[in-house]
Amino acid sequence: AQKITQTQPGMFVQEKEAVTLDCTYDTSDQSYGLFWYKQPSSGEMIFLIYQGSYDEQNATEGRYSLNFQKARKSANLVISASQLGDSAMYFCAMSAYSGGGADGLTFGKGTHLIIQP
Amino acid sequence: EADIYQTPRYLVIGTGKKITLECSQTMGHDKMYWYQQDPGMELHLIHYSYGVNSTEKGDLSSESTVSRIRTEHFPLTLESARPSHTSQYLCASSVKAGDTQYFGPGTRLTVL
Repeated sequence: AQKITQTQPGMFVQEKEAVTLDCTYDTSDQSYGLFWYKQPSSGEMIFLIYQGSYDEQNATEGRYSLNFQKARKSANLVISASQLGDSAMYFCAMSAYSGGGADGLTFGKGTHLIIQP
Repeated sequence: EADIYQTPRYLVIGTGKKITLECSQTMGHDKMYWYQQDPGMELHLIHYSYGVNSTEKGDLSSESTVSRIRTEHFPLTLESARPSHTSQYLCASSVKAGDTQYFGPGTRLTVL
């Protein structure tokens, strides 16, 4: 079974500062994917960034980067130069490529990020 | 940008009513999913589909049912709604297993 742990229920950060949101995972699969999603108060889930378990480079997408440490089973999200519009819930999730069974995403409990002016 | 739609966005109904939540995508994705999310909580997979005429139950047991008659359409039905069904329901799709899933805007269901 897969498990995602996000240990920061809430975070307050000053605008323009960098933010690191923690995510650790547990899986017995050798091949898997790690994802971060943003959920504003309106409720939709916005895909931010993806990291494959065999990718050697850390993924980056604009102001988002994923600090992937495979040996430690961590996949932290880094947001550079935070903006007021970054205030939202952030979910870490993983999928497995093992084939068969449910191939939906397993989600963590999320981190509520609030950017203060 | 993903093109996946859900209607209605908000629904308030009485106990015992039959409801159908609609989900459509225009990307031609074979894989589609339904997740349930209680307020402030994580998402849980309740149904998924590998393609037309394929439906499977997810990790979280649900009294809802789904159908997949067309690739682009994956509706979810509750035959008799109860207050315990009050939640947000999110639909998603992907090209194949393990790929990025793109979500619709969600339906917030309240059963009185």
